[in-house]
Amino acid sequence: DSGVTQTPKHLITATGQRVTLRCSPRSGDLSVYWYQQSLDQGLQFLIHYYNGEERAKGNILERFSAQQFPDLHSELNLSSLELGDSALYFCASSAESGTGTDTQYFGPGTRLTVL
Amino acid sequence: AQKITQTQPGMFVQEKEAVTLDCTYDTSDQSYGLFWYKQPSSGEMIFLIYQGSYDEQNATEGRYSLNFQKARKSANLVISASQLGDSAMYFCAMREGGQAGTALIFGKGTTLSVSS
Repeated sequence: DSGVTQTPKHLITATGQRVTLRCSPRSGDLSVYWYQQSLDQGLQFLIHYYNGEERAKGNILERFSAQQFPDLHSELNLSSLELGDSALYFCASSAESGTGTDTQYFGPGTRLTVL
Repeated sequence: AQKITQTQPGMFVQEKEAVTLDCTYDTSDQSYGLFWYKQPSSGEMIFLIYQGSYDEQNATEGRYSLNFQKARKSANLVISASQLGDSAMYFCAMREGGQAGTALIFGKGTTLSVSS
């Protein structure tokens, strides 16, 4: 158990809909990263939040957005869903000691299926 | 260009044998970190081992060791005495820059199958 929690574990929805994925980092970790894993694109970085502030964006679509709340949990919002958004979405948390070498610990993932 | 290259899509090994999973990386940064993660069929990503670019000794964690050859830019994972439970996808990943808050860059992964 990594200490990172994600809900829900599975999500099935229809095209055009909007969903929210939730992540709680390990106790004490200020950073949350979101990644998408799909068969064709592999594991891709979406967005990074540190202590409530957005720090970096990767290959995140404009239809996707995220935020990190004062209690440090994070939510990833996916809207106007398309079939191609079906994927496994991970969040990972890290302590960020300042060395850049901190391990990122992953949650169990949310498997999104868009029908 | 690929920053992390894993050239072995699949590897097959018998129980109790050692196996090496290859990983080469590409970066111009002097400070970086290299990681290996395991993803079983259940889907979770499990951290296995870490190697820093300035570490002179190869990292070891139980049955896992990382064969770090900096000049060749390789960071191979060695699993000693394979077990059936080692069957999974293995990902090599890198964090660049030596600063806090950089995302992981992943390779495409290697599927390891361990048979009895």
